[in-house]
Amino acid sequence: EVQLVESGGGLVQPGGSLRLSCAASGFTFSDHYVDWVRQAPGKGLEWVGRSRNKANIYTTEYAASVKGRFTISRDDSKNSLYLQMNSLKTEDTAVYYCARGTPSGYSLDHWGQGTLVTVSS
Amino acid sequence: QSALTQPPSVSGSPGQSVTISCTGTSSDVGSYNRVSWYQQPPGTAPKLMIYDVSNRPSGVPDRFSGSKSGNTASLTISGLQAEDEADYYCSSYTSSSTFVFGTGTKVTVL
Repeated sequence: EVQLVESGGGLVQPGGSLRLSCAASGFTFSDHYVDWVRQAPGKGLEWVGRSRNKANIYTTEYAASVKGRFTISRDDSKNSLYLQMNSLKTEDTAVYYCARGTPSGYSLDHWGQGTLVTVSS
Repeated sequence: QSALTQPPSVSGSPGQSVTISCTGTSSDVGSYNRVSWYQQPPGTAPKLMIYDVSNRPSGVPDRFSGSKSGNTASLTISGLQAEDEADYYCSSYTSSSTFVFGTGTKVTVL
């Protein structure tokens, strides 16, 4: 069974940093793209970024709203994806989901349960 | 990248059909057959319902169908059931090699 479990959320002050983790199981992690998607309280989904798979040399892409502040990395030996978030703003407050890409890479077929990040003083 | 435009809400009685539109631009929906639809019941993670405009993943009922014309994609739910009540989001690949989600539509079963 495919599973994705996020962790690392919590309360952080504006300007602070936080690192989220996503532990994957039930599939060959290195074969898949993996994305981060967030959802502010009561709002819609927002794509954050992605890590491509081993075959695509683990390249990354980011939404304009987080580019330069957030960094996505992965450790295939640990079947884990990470999201390093720096210079956090109040508008970064959201539930952060990790999600697995389909073989084509253009859709997300399995999602974690999400972890809540609250940026507030 | 602006969010794709969806109607805030649609509703229908059990057994009826409802259609949700998703309007983008020539830089996303209009240029790629890479539109997906996700269902999100309250308090849960999203679930993939349609990929590549009109394809259903295994396990998704054939009551759900997708299409696209120009810069607008659509999701149709035929034979509406109570369990279909949820928020629905479209998503598209973009010319910047990123993705953009729609604004979301709440489906209410009357």
